[in-house]
Amino acid sequence: TQLLEQSPQFLSIQEGENLTVYCNSSSVFSSLQWYRQEPGEGPVLLVTVVTGGEVKKLKRLTFQFGDARKDSSLHITAAQPGDTGLYLCAGAGSSNTGKLIFGQGTTLQVKP
Amino acid sequence: NAGVTQTPKFQVLKTGQSMTLQCAQDMNHEYMSWYRQDPGMGLRLIHYSVGAGITDQGEVPNGYNVSRSTTEDFPLRLLSAAPSQTSVYFCASSYSRQGARSTDTQYFGPGTRLTVL
Repeated sequence: TQLLEQSPQFLSIQEGENLTVYCNSSSVFSSLQWYRQEPGEGPVLLVTVVTGGEVKKLKRLTFQFGDARKDSSLHITAAQPGDTGLYLCAGAGSSNTGKLIFGQGTTLQVKP
Repeated sequence: NAGVTQTPKFQVLKTGQSMTLQCAQDMNHEYMSWYRQDPGMGLRLIHYSVGAGITDQGEVPNGYNVSRSTTEDFPLRLLSAAPSQTSVYFCASSYSRQGARSTDTQYFGPGTRLTVL
């Protein structure tokens, strides 16, 4: 069974601080996705990484896929209150059925 | 496009009652799935479908049934509701077909918040 462990589960920081969220597994994933979810809504895709060592940037968000494709990180620079939400990583196995395994999520609160 | 729609948004059931959560998408997506979200556990896959007439079980299928008679609709049935099924349920769809890429974006509906007393 493939599992994804996210850390930390909760993060409360001040506006302007930097933070990193980690997503780790003992299994290899063919791709990894990061989603953001706001209260009362469904998750929305932020990025997909597919190549070991890949780094993608989305404004102040930087996503990295580990060389062995077993882990990933999300780094936010100069966090803003609008970044508040639940961040979820999701890994796809090699079977290519479209199935995703989700991590537990990281709840981020950015205080003004 | 409306995307993925789910009804109802909220539902309260008594133990033993049955009900159907509705999910529809207008993007002509082949792949549809149902997840449940519980605090501290992320999203767990209940059932999924890679196309009309084809369904399969996910991680936590017990107590739930699905069918896929059309590409657009993928209802989730609770046969005999139990308090353990209190959760937020999300339906999702993506372009992925069986054997297709695992990198396709999954589009989620707004969720159904279910409470079983």
